Amino acid sequence: QLQLQESGPGLVKPSETLSLTCTVSGGSISSSSYYWGWIRQPPGKGLEWIGSIYYSGSTYYNPSLKSRVTISVDTSKNQFSLKLSSVTAADTAVYYCATTVAAPWWFDPWGQGTLVTVSS
Amino acid sequence: NFMLTQPHSVSESPGKTVTISCTGSSGSIASNYVQWYQQRPGSAPTTVIYEDNQRPSGVPDRFSGSIDSSSNSASLTISGLKTEDEADYYCQSYDSSNYVVFGGGTKLTVL
Repeated sequence: QLQLQESGPGLVKPSETLSLTCTVSGGSISSSSYYWGWIRQPPGKGLEWIGSIYYSGSTYYNPSLKSRVTISVDTSKNQFSLKLSSVTAADTAVYYCATTVAAPWWFDPWGQGTLVTVSS
Repeated sequence: NFMLTQPHSVSESPGKTVTISCTGSSGSIASNYVQWYQQRPGSAPTTVIYEDNQRPSGVPDRFSGSIDSSSNSASLTISGLKTEDEADYYCQSYDSSNYVVFGGGTKLTVL
């Protein structure tokens, strides 16, 4: 069964770029069945979808974050990545990666999540 | 922008039944599938309902989902409440552009 694991720096300075990677195991990221998504959750708040990507590189981004977000896929490493530029304290959150399926866009399974703090 | 609105919190006693609503801001919530996730403190969300009313394997049949087109709402109903059901619950759907939307979450207290 699929398992996902986020990795990346836990501390990012304001105005810099947040970079995270999600490693997929138990299956191929090139599977035609799945999309791959990023979701975040600020401390004590709700879930926010960031975006989703297909192995071919086709992407969907949250319109409110689109100008700062890039999601990419590396099929050779069975990984996909998130870059969020010009971060501020408002981007402090637990970032989750997850498997998803086009319409219904059901996210399952999820990685365990990684806390990224934006602070100088 | 399409939004999903949930009550901030609900509470009920063990053994009782509770229903959590999720109301769509526009269009027809029945047009696109709704999912429900359970999130316990410090853990990632897990699915309790997908595609409006389907339960993943391992989720007890005490959990059920439904759609009410007349109120443009989805509902998660948990019967025979157990203390272990105490958690945050999120609904999730998407719009016509395939942009995913989560509800704000509902804190369920079982007391």
